Amino acid sequence: GQNIDQPTEMTATEGAIVQINCTYQTSGFNGLFWYQQHAGEAPTFLSYNVLDGLEEKGRFSSFLSRSKGYSYLLLKELQMKDSASYLCAATDSNYQLIWGAGTKLIIKP
Amino acid sequence: NAGVTQTPKFRVLKTGQSMTLLCAQDMNHEYMYWYRQDPGMGLRLIHYSVGEGTTAKGEVPDGYNVSRLKKQNFLLGLESAAPSQTSVYFCASSYSYGLRNTGELFFGEGSRLTVL
Repeated sequence: GQNIDQPTEMTATEGAIVQINCTYQTSGFNGLFWYQQHAGEAPTFLSYNVLDGLEEKGRFSSFLSRSKGYSYLLLKELQMKDSASYLCAATDSNYQLIWGAGTKLIIKP
Repeated sequence: NAGVTQTPKFRVLKTGQSMTLLCAQDMNHEYMYWYRQDPGMGLRLIHYSVGEGTTAKGEVPDGYNVSRLKKQNFLLGLESAAPSQTSVYFCASSYSYGLRNTGELFFGEGSRLTVL
Protein backbone atom coordinates (compact mmCIF):
# COMPACT_ATOMS: atom_id res chain seq x y z
CA GLY A 1 0.00 0.00 0.00
CA GLN A 2 0.91 3.63 -0.20
CA ASN A 3 1.84 5.36 3.02
CA ILE A 4 3.36 8.54 4.38
CA ASP A 5 4.64 8.71 7.96
CA GLN A 6 5.54 11.85 9.86
CA PRO A 7 5.51 12.68 13.58
CA THR A 8 2.20 13.94 14.94
CA GLU A 9 3.58 16.81 16.99
CA MET A 10 6.90 18.48 17.75
CA THR A 11 7.90 21.28 20.09
CA ALA A 12 10.81 23.65 19.62
CA THR A 13 12.12 26.91 21.03
CA GLU A 14 12.09 30.27 19.30
CA GLY A 15 15.42 30.89 17.59
CA ALA A 16 16.35 27.20 17.48
CA ILE A 17 16.48 24.67 14.62
CA VAL A 18 13.99 21.85 14.09
CA GLN A 19 13.96 18.92 11.66
CA ILE A 20 10.66 17.32 10.65
CA ASN A 21 11.05 13.87 9.14
CA CYS A 22 8.88 12.13 6.57
CA THR A 23 9.11 8.58 5.25
CA TYR A 24 7.11 7.40 2.28
CA GLN A 25 6.11 4.25 0.45
CA THR A 26 4.44 4.80 -2.89
CA SER A 27 3.77 2.96 -6.14
CA GLY A 28 6.50 4.65 -8.10
CA PHE A 29 7.77 8.06 -7.10
CA ASN A 30 8.06 11.36 -8.90
CA GLY A 31 8.72 13.91 -6.18
CA LEU A 32 8.00 15.11 -2.68
CA PHE A 33 6.22 18.22 -1.49
CA TRP A 34 6.21 20.09 1.79
CA TYR A 35 3.32 22.40 2.63
CA GLN A 36 2.71 24.66 5.61
CA GLN A 37 -0.75 24.99 7.10
CA HIS A 38 -1.60 27.46 9.83
CA ALA A 39 -4.60 26.56 11.99
CA GLY A 40 -7.85 27.29 10.19
CA GLU A 41 -6.11 28.21 6.95
CA ALA A 42 -5.28 26.59 3.62
CA PRO A 43 -2.03 24.71 3.00
CA THR A 44 0.64 26.75 1.23
CA PHE A 45 3.54 25.40 -0.82
CA LEU A 46 7.01 25.32 0.75
CA SER A 47 9.16 23.03 -1.39
CA TYR A 48 9.31 20.31 -3.99
CA ASN A 49 12.18 17.82 -4.25
CA VAL A 50 12.74 15.51 -7.18
CA LEU A 51 16.44 14.73 -6.94
CA ASP A 52 18.43 13.53 -3.96
CA GLY A 53 19.98 16.20 -1.82
CA LEU A 54 19.30 19.36 0.08
CA GLU A 55 17.50 22.38 -1.32
CA GLU A 56 17.72 25.59 0.64
CA LYS A 57 15.18 28.38 0.52
CA GLY A 58 15.84 31.06 3.12
CA ARG A 59 15.27 29.71 6.63
CA PHE A 60 13.69 26.54 5.25
CA SER A 61 15.53 23.62 3.65
CA SER A 62 14.22 20.30 2.36
CA PHE A 63 16.15 17.09 1.89
CA LEU A 64 15.33 14.00 -0.13
CA SER A 65 16.79 10.49 -0.29
CA ARG A 66 14.97 8.51 -2.95
CA SER A 67 16.80 5.27 -2.12
CA LYS A 68 15.70 5.47 1.53
CA GLY A 69 12.19 6.82 0.90
CA TYR A 70 12.99 9.64 3.28
CA SER A 71 12.72 13.40 3.41
CA TYR A 72 13.05 16.07 6.02
CA LEU A 73 12.16 19.72 6.37
CA LEU A 74 14.68 21.83 8.28
CA LEU A 75 13.55 25.09 9.82
CA LYS A 76 16.23 27.46 11.13
CA GLU A 77 16.00 30.53 13.37
CA LEU A 78 12.51 29.57 14.42
CA GLN A 79 9.97 32.33 14.81
CA MET A 80 6.62 32.23 16.59
CA LYS A 81 4.88 32.52 13.21
CA ASP A 82 6.37 29.14 12.25
CA SER A 83 3.88 27.50 14.60
CA ALA A 84 1.81 25.51 12.12
CA SER A 85 1.26 22.04 10.72
CA TYR A 86 3.72 20.82 8.12
CA LEU A 87 2.36 18.42 5.53
CA CYS A 88 4.49 15.97 3.60
CA ALA A 89 3.13 14.63 0.29
CA ALA A 90 4.65 12.27 -2.27
CA THR A 91 3.66 11.92 -5.90
CA ASP A 92 3.28 8.39 -7.17
CA SER A 93 3.89 7.07 -10.68
CA ASN A 94 0.62 8.61 -11.86
CA TYR A 95 1.48 11.97 -10.30
CA GLN A 96 -1.22 11.44 -7.70
CA LEU A 97 -0.43 13.01 -4.34
CA ILE A 98 -0.26 10.84 -1.23
CA TRP A 99 -0.51 13.01 1.88
CA GLY A 100 0.82 12.50 5.38
CA ALA A 101 -1.37 13.47 8.35
CA GLY A 102 0.86 16.44 9.10
CA THR A 103 3.22 17.41 11.90
CA LYS A 104 1.99 20.07 14.29
CA LEU A 105 4.94 22.26 15.26
CA ILE A 106 4.63 24.22 18.49
CA ILE A 107 7.12 27.04 19.04
CA LYS A 108 7.74 28.15 22.62
CA PRO A 109 9.32 31.50 23.56
CA ASN B 1 -5.22 38.41 -7.52
CA ALA B 2 -7.97 36.12 -6.18
CA GLY B 3 -6.34 32.71 -6.84
CA VAL B 4 -8.73 29.97 -5.69
CA THR B 5 -12.04 31.00 -4.14
CA GLN B 6 -14.47 28.68 -2.38
CA THR B 7 -18.05 29.33 -1.37
CA PRO B 8 -19.57 29.00 1.12
CA LYS B 9 -16.98 29.19 3.91
CA PHE B 10 -19.28 27.61 6.49
CA ARG B 11 -22.45 25.56 6.29
CA VAL B 12 -24.56 23.49 8.64
CA LEU B 13 -26.78 20.83 7.12
CA LYS B 14 -29.26 18.33 8.43
CA THR B 15 -28.88 14.67 7.49
CA GLY B 16 -30.38 14.06 4.07
CA GLN B 17 -30.12 17.64 2.83
CA SER B 18 -28.23 18.46 -0.34
CA MET B 19 -25.79 21.24 -1.12
CA THR B 20 -23.16 22.36 -3.60
CA LEU B 21 -19.73 23.79 -2.90
CA LEU B 22 -18.37 26.10 -5.56
CA CYS B 23 -14.71 26.51 -6.42
CA ALA B 24 -13.43 29.14 -8.83
CA GLN B 25 -9.85 29.79 -9.96
CA ASP B 26 -8.50 32.63 -12.05
CA MET B 27 -5.06 31.18 -12.87
CA ASN B 28 -6.11 29.30 -16.02
CA HIS B 29 -5.13 25.98 -14.41
CA GLU B 30 -6.07 22.76 -16.12
CA TYR B 31 -6.16 20.60 -13.00
CA MET B 32 -8.64 21.06 -10.17
CA TYR B 33 -9.21 18.97 -7.06
CA TRP B 34 -11.57 18.56 -4.14
CA TYR B 35 -10.08 17.31 -0.85
CA ARG B 36 -11.46 16.72 2.58
CA GLN B 37 -9.40 17.18 5.73
CA ASP B 38 -10.28 15.42 8.96
CA PRO B 39 -8.43 15.53 12.30
CA GLY B 40 -5.49 13.13 12.47
CA MET B 41 -5.69 12.25 8.79
CA GLY B 42 -3.97 13.45 5.69
CA LEU B 43 -5.80 15.30 2.97
CA ARG B 44 -7.95 12.82 1.09
CA LEU B 45 -8.82 13.32 -2.56
CA ILE B 46 -12.54 13.15 -3.32
CA HIS B 47 -12.67 13.92 -7.06
CA TYR B 48 -10.45 15.71 -9.50
CA SER B 49 -10.50 17.08 -13.02
CA VAL B 50 -7.76 17.28 -15.61
CA GLY B 51 -9.61 19.71 -17.83
CA GLU B 52 -12.92 21.27 -18.75
CA GLY B 53 -15.64 18.66 -19.14
CA THR B 54 -13.66 15.89 -17.43
CA THR B 55 -13.88 14.47 -13.91
CA ALA B 56 -12.41 11.45 -12.15
CA LYS B 57 -12.81 9.70 -8.83
CA GLY B 58 -10.25 10.08 -6.12
CA GLU B 59 -9.66 8.13 -2.95
CA VAL B 60 -13.03 8.81 -1.23
CA PRO B 61 -15.66 9.63 -3.91
CA ASP B 62 -18.73 7.93 -2.41
CA GLY B 63 -21.54 10.32 -1.52
CA TYR B 64 -20.15 13.14 -3.67
CA ASN B 65 -20.58 14.27 -7.25
CA VAL B 66 -18.68 16.88 -9.24
CA SER B 67 -18.93 18.87 -12.42
CA ARG B 68 -16.45 20.93 -14.46
CA LEU B 69 -18.56 22.68 -17.08
CA LYS B 70 -16.20 25.65 -17.28
CA LYS B 71 -12.43 25.55 -16.95
CA GLN B 72 -12.39 28.00 -14.07
CA ASN B 73 -15.10 26.31 -11.97
CA PHE B 74 -15.27 22.99 -10.16
CA LEU B 75 -18.43 22.14 -8.23
CA LEU B 76 -18.74 19.56 -5.46
CA GLY B 77 -22.21 18.26 -4.66
CA LEU B 78 -23.57 16.32 -1.74
CA GLU B 79 -26.88 14.76 -2.74
CA SER B 80 -27.90 13.42 0.67
CA ALA B 81 -25.62 14.64 3.42
CA ALA B 82 -24.53 12.29 6.22
CA PRO B 83 -22.81 13.05 9.54
CA SER B 84 -19.70 11.24 8.22
CA GLN B 85 -19.35 14.06 5.69
CA THR B 86 -18.72 16.59 8.43
CA SER B 87 -15.30 17.90 7.47
CA VAL B 88 -13.29 20.77 6.09
CA TYR B 89 -13.31 20.74 2.30
CA PHE B 90 -10.50 22.23 0.27
CA CYS B 91 -10.49 22.97 -3.40
CA ALA B 92 -7.15 23.21 -5.17
CA SER B 93 -5.84 23.83 -8.65
CA SER B 94 -2.55 23.28 -10.45
CA TYR B 95 -0.78 23.46 -13.75
CA SER B 96 -0.22 20.12 -15.42
CA TYR B 97 3.03 18.44 -14.50
CA GLY B 98 5.96 18.94 -16.79
CA LEU B 99 9.54 20.04 -17.01
CA ARG B 100 8.68 23.62 -16.15
CA ASN B 101 5.95 23.00 -13.62
CA THR B 102 6.21 21.37 -10.24
CA GLY B 103 2.52 20.65 -10.13
CA GLU B 104 2.30 22.80 -7.01
CA LEU B 105 -1.23 22.99 -5.66
CA PHE B 106 -2.91 26.29 -4.95
CA PHE B 107 -5.59 25.88 -2.31
CA GLY B 108 -8.76 27.75 -1.53
CA GLU B 109 -9.44 28.89 2.03
CA GLY B 110 -11.59 25.88 2.83
CA SER B 111 -15.26 25.24 3.52
CA ARG B 112 -16.24 23.95 6.93
CA LEU B 113 -19.28 21.70 6.66
CA THR B 114 -21.20 20.28 9.62
CA VAL B 115 -23.89 17.67 9.11
CA LEU B 116 -26.23 17.16 12.05
